[in-house]
Amino acid sequence: AQSVTQLDSHVSVSEGTPVLLRCNYSSSYSPSLFWYVQHPNKGLQLLLKYTSAATLVKGINGFEAEFKKSETSFHLTKPSAHMSDAAEYFCVVSQANFNKFYFGSGTKLNVKP
Amino acid sequence: DGGITQSPKYLFRKEGQNVTLSCEQNLNHDAMYWYRQDPGQGLRLIYYSQIVNDFQKGDIAEGYSVSREKKESFPLTVTSAQKNPTAFYLCASSKAGISEKLFFGSGTQLSVL
Repeated sequence: AQSVTQLDSHVSVSEGTPVLLRCNYSSSYSPSLFWYVQHPNKGLQLLLKYTSAATLVKGINGFEAEFKKSETSFHLTKPSAHMSDAAEYFCVVSQANFNKFYFGSGTKLNVKP
Repeated sequence: DGGITQSPKYLFRKEGQNVTLSCEQNLNHDAMYWYRQDPGQGLRLIYYSQIVNDFQKGDIAEGYSVSREKKESFPLTVTSAQKNPTAFYLCASSKAGISEKLFFGSGTQLSVL
């Protein structure tokens, strides 16, 4: 079975400081993992995805995530937060045999001036 | 431009009424999905379809129905059996195959009068 746990429902950082959004997963198969971002009242946009290639994945807008199999984690980071990063972020794991996606409960990122 | 179109953006349902949410994509994707989003719960899968004329129940299918008569279209009906329909509904599509990313529409907010 697949599942995703996002460890923080809310994260608040100051502009220009690092961002860390935590995600742990469980999967019976070698997982594919994704991070999506949702700005208020809008659809979701893919930030990055991991599909068993390099364990450090670079995405859009300066975000990156590292796949750590031993820790079953896929944390999202950014060196320096920008006001436009304020949004909700979802960690997603997909099932190996067909396209079925399991979403975490989301982390709302607040960026303070 | 290719994309997914959901309509309407806002929808109101009276008690005992069925309502249908539209989802159209021109990305030539085989797979389509409906998700329900409630605050603090992430996205939960209602129904998904891998090919035309075939669809499967997701985790919360009770009170909902779908059809997939055309590749481009995947409408969702919220029936009177769904006792708590107020939520944000998101339609998504993806190419066939493992680890293909989801493309999302901009969503429909359904409320009960």
